[in-house]
Amino acid sequence: AQSVTQLGSHVSVSEGALVLLRCNYSSSVPPYLFWYVQYPNQGLQLLLKYTTGATLVKGINGFEAEFKKSETSFHLTKPSAHMSDAAEYFCAVSPMEYGNKLVFGAGTILRVKS
Amino acid sequence: EAGVAQSPRYKIIEKRQSVAFWCNPISGHATLYWYQQILGQGPKLLIQFQNNGVVDDSQLPKDRFSAERLKGVDSTLKIQPAKLEDSAVYLCASSKQDYTDTQYFGPGTRLTVL
Repeated sequence: AQSVTQLGSHVSVSEGALVLLRCNYSSSVPPYLFWYVQYPNQGLQLLLKYTTGATLVKGINGFEAEFKKSETSFHLTKPSAHMSDAAEYFCAVSPMEYGNKLVFGAGTILRVKS
Repeated sequence: EAGVAQSPRYKIIEKRQSVAFWCNPISGHATLYWYQQILGQGPKLLIQFQNNGVVDDSQLPKDRFSAERLKGVDSTLKIQPAKLEDSAVYLCASSKQDYTDTQYFGPGTRLTVL
């Protein structure tokens, strides 16, 4: 069964510092991979996704993630944190098979200090 | 383009009562999803519709939860009777085709069962 592990339920960074949110998955075949962001009292918004092709994926708001098959990882990064990045971030996976569901990690709350 | 609409935004009920949530997906989106997000956890798929047919309801507690998507457009999710552990945010999402397409989420309905 698919599973997703997000290391660190809370991450705190200073404004302008590097943001690194970790995601590891378990899958017998390389899956599709997603990062979503959730602001308070709002639904989830897609940041970026990896399906095939280039393993470094660029998303909205300056975020990017790299798919590393050998490490079964899909970590999210942003070179310089902004106060508006404070939110909860979810990693999700889905196998490349029609009809299988999206499986989310437990989420990481990002706090940005001024 | 209008987003995914959900109502109500908040609902408080007592255990053993019934409750219903409504979702109107983005126009033209064939696939509709209902997720349950318990505090501190990632969203968990309850049911997935493709047009008005059910694709996956393996994690729907069918003894108390039901969902329908009449005419392949809007959808309702019902809980009857509610239990304390049903307290959660219920998210509706839609996508053009299947899960590999970007899922657009509504703001959710926060249910509190007392």
